[in-house]
Order: sequence, then C-alpha cells, then structure tokens
Amino acid sequence: DTEVTQTPKHLVMGMTNKKSLKCEQHMGHRAMYWYKQKAKKPPELMFVYSYEKLSINESVPSRFSPECPNSSLLNLHLHALQPEDSALYLCASSQESGQSFNYGYTFGSGTRLTVV
Amino acid sequence: GDSVTQMEGPVTLSEEAFLTINCTYTATGYPSLFWYVQYPGEGLQLLLKATKADDKGSNKGFEATYRKETTSFHLEKGSVQVSDSAVYFCALSGFYNQGGKLIFGQGTELSVKP
Repeated sequence: DTEVTQTPKHLVMGMTNKKSLKCEQHMGHRAMYWYKQKAKKPPELMFVYSYEKLSINESVPSRFSPECPNSSLLNLHLHALQPEDSALYLCASSQESGQSFNYGYTFGSGTRLTVV
Repeated sequence: GDSVTQMEGPVTLSEEAFLTINCTYTATGYPSLFWYVQYPGEGLQLLLKATKADDKGSNKGFEATYRKETTSFHLEKGSVQVSDSAVYFCALSGFYNQGGKLIFGQGTELSVKP
C-alpha cells in the first residue's frame, strides 16, 4: 500500500458546525502533515506530527485542532470555521520528518472544504 | 530563509511542443529538490526528485537536473501531451529545515492544446 487516503473527499459545513477530516497511511511512515491549499496556490503547511507527537504548528488558529491517535491515522478537527477557511486540505506522510529531504512526501487527494 | 522561485504561468503549448519550466532556489546547505504535479481536482504527486548536485531526476518523459552552480532545477519534456495539463510545483527540502519541511514555489499552470 503506497497511498495516503483522505476522507471525506468533499465537505460542506456551516460556521457553527463541528466536523473532522481523516487521513490514513499504511506505509510505515512516522511523519504526517496537514496542508491547506487555495486554488492554484502552493500548499501551506499547517501541522507536522513526528512519531505521533506534534512537532510543528505553523501558528494555525485554534479552530483547527489536529490529532494523531496512532502512527497510521491523522485527524483534523474543525470547529467554528470561517468562509475564508474554504480550501483543499491535504494530508501527507514521509518516512521520518528528518528524512523527507531524501524521499519527499506522499500526498493524499485532499478534502475539498466549503464553509457556508 | 530557504525559498523557491518558479516561472510564472500559465504556460500554453501545442501538443508535441518542447516544455521548459524554470525553477531556481535559495537554500542553506545542500537541499534535495523535487517536482510535484497536481492534476485538476487531485492532490499532489511526486513527479521526480534529485538529492545532490548533478543528479538528474526523470519520470514519464520529464527530466530535471540539479545544478548547484546556477541553483536551478528546471523541468523539461521533449514532447508534451494534452494529458500533461496540470499545475507543476518545484520544491526543496533542506536538511537544516526544521522538520525537513517542503518549501514550494508558486506553481506553474501548464495547458496543452491538441
């Protein structure tokens, strides 16, 4: 299995809703990442988990809450989002966060989020 | 800090034309360099990579050579197809970057017409 699987593929939520995005990989990668991408722009790093511990938070608002229950799963909990948070949310993984410079990342297909 | 600069798009070519997308970088030390491709409505796929100077990455007819003297990693393809229409991102990952995170260029949109 050489994939990163993200669910759901599309999500529409209201500004008062609570929802979660899910990411799963079975490649034995020990680093997992959340990125946010606006249309035709490069992905922007949000969070990095290394060995199931949060190692980087790129000053993301608290309405985004990441969770790494085990080495294969990564969640992003969403609460009280704003319309400007509408974007493609990408999950990625790499063998180790310090080794990504050799191997790069494997990205999922993303969740397209619309906040109404 | 580390950065990547790509040529601006969109780039429009006819099928079978030669493609070059320029990418230059600024980095501390000796980064690894990557090209990612994003087809419409999809995530990013690793297209090719090079981890040291003078390495040539290649995949699906695309090539890029890591040129340390010009700090460049230009993407080339000899004959593009309509199916190559996508956004292409140049990226670097430096050993000295915190967490080894990827630094992306702005992306170049390629449109290939029949």
